[in-house]
Amino acid sequence: DAMVIQNPRYQVTQFGKPVTLSCSQTLNHNVMYWYQQKSSQAPKLLFHYYDKDFNNEADTPDNFQSRRPNTSFCFLDIRSPGLGDAAMYLCATSRDPQISTDTQYFGPGTRLTVL
Amino acid sequence: AQSVTQLGSHVSVSEGALVLLRCNYSSSVPPYLFWYVQYPNQGLQLLLKYTSAATLVKGINGFEAEFKKSETSFHLTKPSAHMSDAAEYFCAVWREGRRALTFGSGTRLQVQP
Repeated sequence: DAMVIQNPRYQVTQFGKPVTLSCSQTLNHNVMYWYQQKSSQAPKLLFHYYDKDFNNEADTPDNFQSRRPNTSFCFLDIRSPGLGDAAMYLCATSRDPQISTDTQYFGPGTRLTVL
Repeated sequence: AQSVTQLGSHVSVSEGALVLLRCNYSSSVPPYLFWYVQYPNQGLQLLLKYTSAATLVKGINGFEAEFKKSETSFHLTKPSAHMSDAAEYFCAVWREGRRALTFGSGTRLQVQP
């Protein structure tokens, strides 16, 4: 019973060619997060949505954008991927970020390759 | 600002041996701490979390962690390693005011037969 679904699992794009990664959830959670995880590194938060409220991390490049058309879906758009953007992209959800102990549920990730 | 430091990027144990993965935190406020596990090419799964209700926290798959304020530590342990425990383990702390987690750099656990 998948709760956080990411599509595709593997994505190959060309240098500079826009790409969109998709995340959907069946948990009806208020918050959706996007993390970037490079090889052998910790996940790094890019941004998150609390309902329709978008929260960008200060060091997230402008090249990365996100959309959340409804509660269930959230998209990560990379406008002009560079070689340094090759990574695993993880989507996560949580019910209420006002609760510090709230659990984040992660999807399986999308591995992005940039040629 | 809250942060966590994981000591040891790689840990190798024999099957049946004790697992000890180290995590130290830095926080000016009482921290909320988490351990997540990541299997190859998969997302992260919560093992356990410290919510200040009890200093010894039991999680899934036989793992537990003890919050020690005097040592600013939250080490993860398991009495007897199993081959299926081989994975990457991340310690994380809740960032007050940002509604998000900050992860440590991770520890890769290898289990030798």
